[in-house]
Amino acid sequence: GAVVSQHPSWVICKSGTSVKIECRSLDFQATTMFWYRQFPKQSLMLMATSNEGSKATYEQGVEKDKFLINHASLTLSTLTVTSAHPEDSSFYICSAGQGRGPDTQYFGPGTRLTVL
Amino acid sequence: GNSVTQMEGPVTLSEEAFLTINCTYTATGYPSLFWYVQYPGEGLQLLLKATKADDKGSNKGFEATYRKETTSFHLEKGSVQVSDSAVYFCALSDLNGANSKLTFGKGITLSVRP
Repeated sequence: GAVVSQHPSWVICKSGTSVKIECRSLDFQATTMFWYRQFPKQSLMLMATSNEGSKATYEQGVEKDKFLINHASLTLSTLTVTSAHPEDSSFYICSAGQGRGPDTQYFGPGTRLTVL
Repeated sequence: GNSVTQMEGPVTLSEEAFLTINCTYTATGYPSLFWYVQYPGEGLQLLLKATKADDKGSNKGFEATYRKETTSFHLEKGSVQVSDSAVYFCALSDLNGANSKLTFGKGITLSVRP
């Protein structure tokens, strides 16, 4: 089946630094990638949707200058958390879509970010 | 806006027990409904889905029926196995142009003991 990887799986950084998280579709081309954030015991919250070659569409309340998303190719999207602060600590999950329906979205295993 | 409410967890069951995980939703229009499962160390996987009222989704012995009158999509399995231990998420989709936005519940952890 379709496989989506994320790297790194976990990262610890100091406050004020930037962290980049990669999301790759390993065996298919993803026209759309989604980035989610999950707080402990909370649901996944959609942060943004990105289509290859165009700017990401951010959900209301998500700072686009803080969470930079790049979808440069059909197999790679990156999320950069700029000037990270402890409140940015969370579990970030990406999914890659092949078509229109949710059942064509495949999820990565997630990245645990801890900002000290 | 759309929302999904799942019963509070975690849930611990003995092998071969009957499983019900409740899920209710609030949505405008006619959403599609989904159950996702996340095994330890892995990404979410689509378990089953239903796209219209009274549809029943089923997979791997799990079932859920789209009940419009009660806005529910409860997940059931007649006899759980240790390998079913995972986190289960209920979700709905709101087709928005070319993309499909998923709204998730909080998820519930199921532990099945031998």
